[in-house]
Amino acid sequence: QKEVEQNSGPLSVPEGAIASLNCTYSDRGSQSFFWYRQYSGKSPELIMFIYSNGDKEDGRFTAQLNKASQYVSLLIRDSQPSDSATYLCAVALAGRRALTFGSGTRLQVQP
Amino acid sequence: DADVTQTPRNRITKTGKRIMLECSQTKGHDRMYWYRQDPGLGLRLIYYSFDVKDINKGEISDGYSVSRQAQAKFSLSLESAIPNQTALYFCATSVAGGNEQFFGPGTRLTVL
Repeated sequence: QKEVEQNSGPLSVPEGAIASLNCTYSDRGSQSFFWYRQYSGKSPELIMFIYSNGDKEDGRFTAQLNKASQYVSLLIRDSQPSDSATYLCAVALAGRRALTFGSGTRLQVQP
Repeated sequence: DADVTQTPRNRITKTGKRIMLECSQTKGHDRMYWYRQDPGLGLRLIYYSFDVKDINKGEISDGYSVSRQAQAKFSLSLESAIPNQTALYFCATSVAGGNEQFFGPGTRLTVL
């Protein structure tokens, strides 16, 4: 079992729809959770981070954390073609000094 | 000016050659990281450094070495490059006590 797991996709949604991206992690003691967006051939850029159970909203993006079930999700409302990218989940696993990344989910937003 | 820079941006080399990838940052961050990215495998940590005297191996350090010459500079070396080291390499930085990482533009390395 991978320590941080994501469905590789591609996840295809129509323009204007809600895209839901999920990530599960293995270590119940994990404290910090991050979502990065990566366009093809470019470097990852931080979209959101979340530390506490519940929802955190920033514009069209909402991160949801459920520590009991060990998953974190990213919702993108009113998806746009420019949201088409790979989304990487990263977790600060307990006892680790650096982030552990999932393999990413490729999102395609169809015009 | 970019906060995290990497040189070279692209490099093609031959098996057995020694290669150095360089990373510089103007963000004033203490922590620096080297990752490689392969299709379908996400970002895998090679080495990381929390300050000039603190160097740590990541999950895939075999075949690589690093040097932290100053707070702002962190170099990755491939002592004897092999074809399966062909990948996209990223440098990243973060502040002490924080986990948010900021990435450089990447170096695409091809080993023939």
